Amino acid sequence: GAVVSQHPSWVICKSGTSVKIECRSLDFQATTMFWYRQFPKQSLMLMATSNEGSKATYEQGVEKDKFLINHASLTLSTLTVTSAHPEDSSFYICSAGFVSNQPQHFGDGTRLSIL
Amino acid sequence: GQQLNQSPQSMFIQEGEDVSMNCTSSSIFNTWLWYKQDPGEGPVLLIALYKAGELTSNGRLTAQFGITRKDSFLNISASIPSDVGIYFCAGQLAGAQKLVFGQGTRLTINP
Repeated sequence: GAVVSQHPSWVICKSGTSVKIECRSLDFQATTMFWYRQFPKQSLMLMATSNEGSKATYEQGVEKDKFLINHASLTLSTLTVTSAHPEDSSFYICSAGFVSNQPQHFGDGTRLSIL
Repeated sequence: GQQLNQSPQSMFIQEGEDVSMNCTSSSIFNTWLWYKQDPGEGPVLLIALYKAGELTSNGRLTAQFGITRKDSFLNISASIPSDVGIYFCAGQLAGAQKLVFGQGTRLTINP
């Protein structure tokens, strides 16, 4: 069964809206989670590493103020796309591992469409 | 940044055929992972490799961690329609948690 749950699976909203995506680890604690973005027919692009109880580490070129990450508990990380615009439309996926040296398991992704 | 070169980018095969895809890198990885992604879903882990030379099977899937630690391959034997999807390799550098992904191999099967 799924070990990482992501919600919502699909969201459509108007330009200028802020959208929050949740990523939960099921039956295990994840001190670190990862957020990816995927464009059609492309590979996954790491956006940031979410660290429980501390600030996220963003990849080069990813706007911290645009993509807010909060990892307030060992089972939940959230990604908030602030003031979303059509160019933010994409497939966002989170992942987590049981422990740091174990393979990551991915959520089912969130399809974000900004009108 | 780090990159993995995955090939082929796409494959069109007949049902029942065997499939082979590989990933190479200029960097040495400690871990190689293979994932499958269906449309609209997140990647699902197929095989994880942790030691150079390691050969691991998961049903009809077999993957190997290259001796040089700079490459890995995935084989699928006797393909079936549900094997359709995009396959990604991913590598993990020593001491790093984040993954580096290949560009993906899109597998299409003609019945």
